[in-house]
Amino acid sequence: GAVVSQHPSWVICKSGTSVKIECRSLDFQATTMFWYRQFPKQSLMLMATSNEGSKATYEQGVEKDKFLINHASLTLSTLTVTSAHPEDSSFYICSAYLRLGPDDEQFFGPGTRLTVL
Amino acid sequence: DAKTTQPPSMDCAEGRAANLPCNHSTISGNEYVYWYRQIHSQGPQYIIHGLKNNETNEMASLIITEDRKSSTLILPHATLRDTAVYYCIVRLASYGKLTFGQGTILTVHP
Repeated sequence: GAVVSQHPSWVICKSGTSVKIECRSLDFQATTMFWYRQFPKQSLMLMATSNEGSKATYEQGVEKDKFLINHASLTLSTLTVTSAHPEDSSFYICSAYLRLGPDDEQFFGPGTRLTVL
Repeated sequence: DAKTTQPPSMDCAEGRAANLPCNHSTISGNEYVYWYRQIHSQGPQYIIHGLKNNETNEMASLIITEDRKSSTLILPHATLRDTAVYYCIVRLASYGKLTFGQGTILTVHP
């Protein structure tokens, strides 16, 4: 199957700093990528839909000014957590969306563990 | 998207078949049933999906009832590496978005 990478795999930062997470589709082009957040012992929650060349679409309750998403190319989307606080500590997962005729599939990255001190 | 209901947890002995049920009584005619799993601290992995016919691939089989109100994911010979959270998701094809419920924690024991 297609491979999606995330970098970094884990990051620890101080409160008030910004953190950038990269999501790359390694062997296919993805016009759409999704960003999810997962708190301990909870399910994945969709944060936003990232479309190449246009503004991201955020889910209700997700602050677009805090979670900046850029999808500058067909293989790269970035999520920047601005002015991070301890409550932003979470597991962030991206997926790359591939449409195959009438069918489609999402390929997930391995996730990035963010800890804000 | 239609809602799904899954048991919170299940156990299975290694080498035996694991049968994971999912109820989706409000599914509409053009919605598919998707299954993903998430091994601890990793991203989800696609397993299988289907519309109304039973499906089989190298990982699992998907059995969908005739009225499409429920389905069962079958791992024919569970191994310890199949221990994970299994998510049943119902959605339109080519819709893109996935809405994850709480899933079923499957524990495979020796």
